[in-house]
Amino acid sequence: GAGVSQSPRYKVTKRGQDVALRCDPISGHVSLYWYRQALGQGPEFLTYFNYEAQQDKSGLPNDRFSAERPEGSISTLTIQRTEQRDSAMYRCASTRDGPGEKLFFGSGTQLSVL
Amino acid sequence: RKEVEQDPGPFNVPEGATVAFNCTYSNSASQSFFWYRQDCRKEPKLLMSVYSSGNEDGRFTAQLNRASQYISLLIRDSKLSDSATYLCVVNEGGKLIFGQGTELSVKP
Repeated sequence: GAGVSQSPRYKVTKRGQDVALRCDPISGHVSLYWYRQALGQGPEFLTYFNYEAQQDKSGLPNDRFSAERPEGSISTLTIQRTEQRDSAMYRCASTRDGPGEKLFFGSGTQLSVL
Repeated sequence: RKEVEQDPGPFNVPEGATVAFNCTYSNSASQSFFWYRQDCRKEPKLLMSVYSSGNEDGRFTAQLNRASQYISLLIRDSKLSDSATYLCVVNEGGKLIFGQGTELSVKP
């Protein structure tokens, strides 16, 4: 596609439910990053992939959070047993040739846990 | 200590002013550095990369000081359209870490 696509754009869920957030990067982009952003803060690193390999997951807050990119393209960030503190904007970005390059961001998924 | 630190501001300046932002980072092995701009509730977009020798793009100048582990962004002749949040980004072995951002408001 022309840009990074994230879905859904908004997600409202009840505490305790699982959610899956999807990211479709720019076609052919090698690296894919996930960030979480609270209002008034910068994006907080969660994890990143080169192709299908998860290179660094040190930013995932706890074991309720997981991410995959099985075919080196689309990625899913899954949050199990959601809690109110998980409410935030979740942003995905991709880079063309590898890690550490220009990030192209999607519009994000705004998650609200009630 | 945070890996990347910025003064959150806000910086309120009149049109035409020169304004400078600093950012410090904790990992001396960091490999590359960037400034991103984020408009209210939108996604961040790359403003410029920061090179060791310093670099300029129009009214914007970026500097890197590896010895002191800080980077800076200078904006000359501020425009109303420069109002945004400026995010410092540091590359630690492929992991791209953002600062919390510095808010700039340019007033007429």
